[in-house]
Amino acid sequence: AQSVTQLDSQVPVFEEAPVELRCNYSSSVSVYLFWYVQYPNQGLQLLLKYLSGSTLVKGINGFEAEFNKSQTSFHLRKPSVHISDTAEYFCAPKGSGAGSYQLTFGKGTKLSVIP
Amino acid sequence: DVKVTQSSRYLVKRTGEKVFLECVQDMDHENMFWYRQDPGLGLRLIYFSYDVKMKEKGDIPEGYSVSREKKERFSLILESASTNQTSMYLCASSGESSNQPQHFGDGTRLSIL
Repeated sequence: AQSVTQLDSQVPVFEEAPVELRCNYSSSVSVYLFWYVQYPNQGLQLLLKYLSGSTLVKGINGFEAEFNKSQTSFHLRKPSVHISDTAEYFCAPKGSGAGSYQLTFGKGTKLSVIP
Repeated sequence: DVKVTQSSRYLVKRTGEKVFLECVQDMDHENMFWYRQDPGLGLRLIYFSYDVKMKEKGDIPEGYSVSREKKERFSLILESASTNQTSMYLCASSGESSNQPQHFGDGTRLSIL
């Protein structure tokens, strides 16, 4: 079974500054990794995913994440944030074996972009 | 684009009522999921289904049941609603392969009075 830790529950950052949202997962098996974003009063939207191959993954809205197998981390980054990035972000690992249906969600990181 | 539609955005019910939350997806996905989301607790899986008429308990199934009579529709049922079931409920669907992401509806904010 997966477990996931999002190390920061809230991250305030000034507009146009860089940001990193941290995610560590715990698994003894291969995983797929996902980041989702949730804007106020909406469902979750897929931001990016790591399945295999290059460890640097690019997603929508200028976000990227790096898979680090040795540190079991999948941190999300953006070089310059915008007001519209204010949202809650969820990291979600998933087992890659057959019959692995479930995502395990972190508790979320609320990103607040300050004008 | 995948579309997951939840029947209500906001719902208010009374304690003891039987409540139905409906979810429909248009991508012929095999897997469907129901979560509840509460502040500070993140998303918790209630039930999921990997095929028609099949269901599996998630992490917090107590007080809930589900129905999947057709592939595109997955219903969550609160048999006798209680105030501690006031929450945001999210439905999701995904394709059969384990590398497929889940696609979410906009959620139903349910209040039990």
